[in-house]
Amino acid sequence: KAGVTQTPRYLIKTRGQQVTLSCSPISGHRSVSWYQQTPGQGLQFLFEYFSETQRNKGNFPGRFSGRQFSNSRSEMNVSTLELGDSALYLCASSASGGADTGELFFGEGSRLTVL
Amino acid sequence: TQLLEQSPQFLSIQEGENLTVYCNSSSVFSSLQWYRQEPGEGPVLLVTVVTGGEVKKLKRLTFQFGDARKDSSLHITAAQTGDTGLYLCAGYHAGNNRKLIWGLGTSLAVNP
Repeated sequence: KAGVTQTPRYLIKTRGQQVTLSCSPISGHRSVSWYQQTPGQGLQFLFEYFSETQRNKGNFPGRFSGRQFSNSRSEMNVSTLELGDSALYLCASSASGGADTGELFFGEGSRLTVL
Repeated sequence: TQLLEQSPQFLSIQEGENLTVYCNSSSVFSSLQWYRQEPGEGPVLLVTVVTGGEVKKLKRLTFQFGDARKDSSLHITAAQTGDTGLYLCAGYHAGNNRKLIWGLGTSLAVNP
């Protein structure tokens, strides 16, 4: 069973640009969550999508957005990039999507560097 | 405010030593998960504990959930270099089981 696939793995952008990251969940999983990981802040929850609907949202500015397609693939977009957006962006898929013992399966992440 | 406090933040030990890392909170969790993340990879689930007082073993790793479901510990016996990584605990808050709360992690280095 193929795991969670994130693309691209690495990317470098400059301030003010925008970026789109992609995530393909495990086949059959309908929930996709996005996280930002930095050394000082740890894993910060961005949002969760389930069956194309945003079901949960973290405390990030509106520059961060996402969507989910009918095949459960998800994208997240960050507009007007800032230096502080440099981070590892992780996507996780889940079969149950937020149930109280739901296991998350993570991709390898997209490492974004903003110059 | 970090709802899940992990300690220690960093740990460097020699191969063969034992260690314990902690995940503490003042809140009650309906379940707690432990993940390990290796450099350049995403976190991988090690175990989920759901019952107060529960103990689970995974080879040399022993996980315990506190009786009051507010804390958890991970004990590694005879650590190996392959145990090196970032250990993260995460829990579903008893009052909100939709959002997974994460600790900041314990970074473990096992030296040969």
